[in-house]
Amino acid sequence: TQLLEQSPQFLSIQEGENLTVYCNSSSVFSSLQWYRQEPGEGPVLLVTVVTGGEVKKLKRLTFQFGDARKDSSLHITAAQPGDTGLYLCATRSGNTPLVFGKGTRLSVIA
Amino acid sequence: NAGVMQNPRHLVRRRGQEARLRCSPMKGHSHVYWYRQLPEEGLKFMVYLQKENIIDESGMPKERFSAEFPKEGPSILRIQQVVRGDSAAYFCASSLRTGEDTEAFFGQGTRLTVV
Repeated sequence: TQLLEQSPQFLSIQEGENLTVYCNSSSVFSSLQWYRQEPGEGPVLLVTVVTGGEVKKLKRLTFQFGDARKDSSLHITAAQPGDTGLYLCATRSGNTPLVFGKGTRLSVIA
Repeated sequence: NAGVMQNPRHLVRRRGQEARLRCSPMKGHSHVYWYRQLPEEGLKFMVYLQKENIIDESGMPKERFSAEFPKEGPSILRIQQVVRGDSAAYFCASSLRTGEDTEAFFGQGTRLTVV
């Protein structure tokens, strides 16, 4: 089973600041997904990255997949209170179920 | 097209009782996954089912826990003789197919509290 390490575990920032969270593994990912989970809700898929070096943008969110496909980052520009939530990275190998990291819990204070 | 529906949203059980958690996948989805989430933790895989078959139950405790996904009706996660340590949020996800870039759609979860 591939272990996913996410950092930081907790992050509290002011509205308007930028931030980056990370997802790392000692193994190569075949693909990686980022989810956001709001309090009291289930996770919702944000993006899937597949190719080493890939960069995907979703409004103020920028996702990067490392060249060696062992790490990924999520950068949020000008964070807003609506970005508050638990950010989870997840991966699977072939047809196996998704395996999740423990997540980064982000709090954006107005 | 309704999303993944889980019920109940909240469930309180006394120690020793049974808990039944239901999950109706998205229309057309035949792959169902159950996860458990403890406070301040990520999601831990429990079991993967595909219509009437258990594909992978490696994350599910051998004792007291069982899951099914009948031909008709929702998937059921059943916990017998609940203990305080079973208190957690249980999430169900469904997907149309399998594969590395497949999107899994999650329900809102059932929050089980054992008193």
